[in-house]
Formats: sequence, structure tokens, C-alpha cells
Amino acid sequence: GAGVSQSPSNKVTEKGKDVELRCDPISGHTALYWYRQSLGQGLEFLIYFQGNSAPDKSGLPSDRFSAERTGGSVSTLTIQRTQQEDSAVYLCASSRWRQATYEQYFGPGTRLTVT
Amino acid sequence: RKEVEQDPGPFNVPEGATVAFNCTYSNSASQSFFWYRQDCRKEPKLLMSVYSSGNEDGRFTAQLNRASQYISLLIRDSKLSDSATYLCVVNKNNNDMRFGAGTRLTVKP
Repeated sequence: GAGVSQSPSNKVTEKGKDVELRCDPISGHTALYWYRQSLGQGLEFLIYFQGNSAPDKSGLPSDRFSAERTGGSVSTLTIQRTQQEDSAVYLCASSRWRQATYEQYFGPGTRLTVT
Repeated sequence: RKEVEQDPGPFNVPEGATVAFNCTYSNSASQSFFWYRQDCRKEPKLLMSVYSSGNEDGRFTAQLNRASQYISLLIRDSKLSDSATYLCVVNKNNNDMRFGAGTRLTVKP
């Protein structure tokens, strides 16, 4: 079946512009996560959604970052007034309940470059 | 202290070797545990869940030690294709997953 999809796959933007990154989770997955990964680094947790609500926003680096999820499906991560340090791969994952635990499935990521 | 800690490596091993990675976690109430694999410039992919009794999948064995708050991954008979970064993942509660920074493995001919 279809996996997690993300768009765009690559985004180059000028410093100070706003960007929107989109994630389409696997159908029926209740939870959705956003992470970012800088080159050669580990995954940095940003936010996760259970349904449309976000129980934990503690990972968002600043108030320039926001995310929403509508209809328990698609999510959008918005970065306002982008800075060069925002350059990274932004990964989205969704999860399902299986064998008494949650397993995450990742999308291919959006590579953001802020010039 | 980080919530999930891993030795970053790199581990460089010859083909056929056995290699083990450990991962420690800080939250004793953590409920479930996983190992993911990430190839260079690719997204992480689930390798295996880690069950309390330990579990094996072919050449891969995962163990959980709740008392000491660590999980391990053992790879036997390493293949060149095992070269990747291995990420330890801990489910804090409900659906809140935290990743370690990863351990890099290179298997050489």
C-alpha cells in the first residue's frame, strides 16, 4: 500500500521567507510526527499529533515553527521567516498500533535549504 | 542527560563478524523500544521492535534490560549490506517516540 508521502521533496528558499512542508500519513494511522535531521546528525523531535491534537509541542525550536493537522490526516509544518540554521531534512512519520506497541513509518523527507 | 543515548561509533567490522550496539534510556516508565536502520541520505526504516523477553529475526537479536534501562542489538555474520546507521527508539508514553542519535556501522570486505 501507499506509504507516507511528503512534499516538496526539495525546497530552496531565501532567508526571511516562509515555507510550508506537507505530510500525507498512511491511511488509518492515528499518530503523526515531525522530526528534523541536519547533515550527519541524529533525528531531532519537533512535534507529534494524536488525531488532530498535539500533546507535545516541546520540540519546536522557536515560535517561527508551527504545525497543524486536519481531519486526522494531512499535516503541514510551517516555518516563518526562515533562517539559515533551519536548513535540514524534515522527516514525517506516522504510526499504527500493532502487537501492543506503536511502529513508525517514515516519509522520504523534505530537504530544506535556506540561502 | 539525553533521553536516549547511543555510542555514535563508527564501528568498522569485517564481513562475517558479530557486532553489538547498546542504547540507554533515562525514563524508567518507557513502554516500548525499537531499532531502526537509516541508510545514507534515506529515511529511517523499522528494523525490529524489542520485546521484554528479547527477540530474534534472522541474524539480528534484540534484548531489553529494564533494570539497567538499556537495549541492545546484536548482528551476527555481518554483511556488507548491513552498513548503515542504527537508531535506538524509545516510546516514552502513549505515542511519544524519542530517537537516539544513532550508531554508525561499516562492514568491510
